[in-house]
Amino acid sequence: QKEVEQNSGPLSVPEGAIASLNCTYSDRVSQSFFWYRQYSGKSPELIMSIYSNGDKEDGRFTAQLNKASQYVSLLIRDSQPSDSATYLCAVTRTDKLIFGTGTRLQVFP
Amino acid sequence: EAGVAQSPRYKIIEKRQSVAFWCNPISGHATLYWYQQILGQGPKLLIQFQNNGVVDDSQLPKDRFSAERLKGVDSTLKIQPAKLEDSAVYLCASSLVLLGSGELFFGEGSRLTVL
Repeated sequence: QKEVEQNSGPLSVPEGAIASLNCTYSDRVSQSFFWYRQYSGKSPELIMSIYSNGDKEDGRFTAQLNKASQYVSLLIRDSQPSDSATYLCAVTRTDKLIFGTGTRLQVFP
Repeated sequence: EAGVAQSPRYKIIEKRQSVAFWCNPISGHATLYWYQQILGQGPKLLIQFQNNGVVDDSQLPKDRFSAERLKGVDSTLKIQPAKLEDSAVYLCASSLVLLGSGELFFGEGSRLTVL
């Protein structure tokens, strides 16, 4: 079992729709969870962090965490073509940041 | 504020040759990370430094990879001898403190092709 699992996609959504990206992790002691966005040929950049159960909203982005189910998700409302990228879920484990394989999101006009 | 600098951006070598990548982190950032990202995969941590000490290198293939952080600032990652499976983007990242808020600042990466 991988430490951080994501569906590789691509996830295709029309412009204006809600994109839902999911991630599961294996280590129950993980405390901090992050979503990074990576455009093709570029480096990852942090877009959301979440540390406690529940929802955290930032603009069009909402991160959701359920530690009991070891599940993290990212919702992107009013998706735009500029949101087309790979979204990497990352989880801390003993002072290391472990990334999933990423989900490729395609937003079409 | 200058970002994380990496060089070279691209390198093509034959298998069994050696290669070195250089990274200059954001000024004042104590922690430096080297990740390997193979096409279609997420970044995989190779080594992380806190100042000039190694915090974790459990995923570094030590028979062929080595890394050092000079005086707690710049870092060099070396591969010798290279294998075909080393073809990847090598990402350097830094953070103010170890993980901290979880925000790692990445450089543009060094893309290695091994033929």
